[in-house]
Amino acid sequence: EVQLVESGGGLVKPGGSLRLSCAASGFTFSNAWMSWVRQAPGKGLEWVGRIKSKTDGGTTDYAAPVKGRFTVSRDDSKNTLYLQMSSLKTEDTAVYYCGTAFYDSSGGLRDYWGRGTLVTVSS
Amino acid sequence: EIVLTQSPGTLSLSPGERATLSCRASQSVSSNYLAWYQQKPGQAPRLLIYGASSRATGIPDRFSGSGSGTDFTLTISRLEPEDFAVYYCQQYDSSPFTFGPGTKVDIK
Repeated sequence: EVQLVESGGGLVKPGGSLRLSCAASGFTFSNAWMSWVRQAPGKGLEWVGRIKSKTDGGTTDYAAPVKGRFTVSRDDSKNTLYLQMSSLKTEDTAVYYCGTAFYDSSGGLRDYWGRGTLVTVSS
Repeated sequence: EIVLTQSPGTLSLSPGERATLSCRASQSVSSNYLAWYQQKPGQAPRLLIYGASSRATGIPDRFSGSGSGTDFTLTISRLEPEDFAVYYCQQYDSSPFTFGPGTKVDIK
């Protein structure tokens, strides 16, 4: 069974840093392209960033509001995805979800998401 | 950055009715790299449609997607009680892979 479990959320002051983790199991993590999506309280979904598999270059992409402040990385030996967040702003307050999608044996695409972890940026 | 606009903001319908949701992009989405997601309160999003018209695994055939270029549509042929939720489109053609603001489908 595919599982994604986020951790590391919490309360942090503006200007502070936090690292989120996403522990993956039930699939070949090293082959997966992984993403972070966030949702501010009462708001819509916002794409944060993505990292490709190392075999596909391991490159990253970011949304404009987080570029230069957030870093997506992966440790394939630990089946874990990370989101390092620095220079945090109050507008970064949100539930952060990690997710992936891949084709199953029947050729259909399916997505998988964690339950999310809440990050609150407040003084 | 490709900006996605969804309409209407809220759609009030009864079970059994047909729902038609629109997603318009500020520039052409190449290769129809357009997805639709469903999200219920307190839950993560769930992929419904990818490639503008392909249903994701396990998605009932009452959900269908169409469109190309800058105009895309999600149709729910007959609303079931579990379909009342918020629906988002997302383009994954060019980074950043933006979401639309969402359409809430609620019970009339």
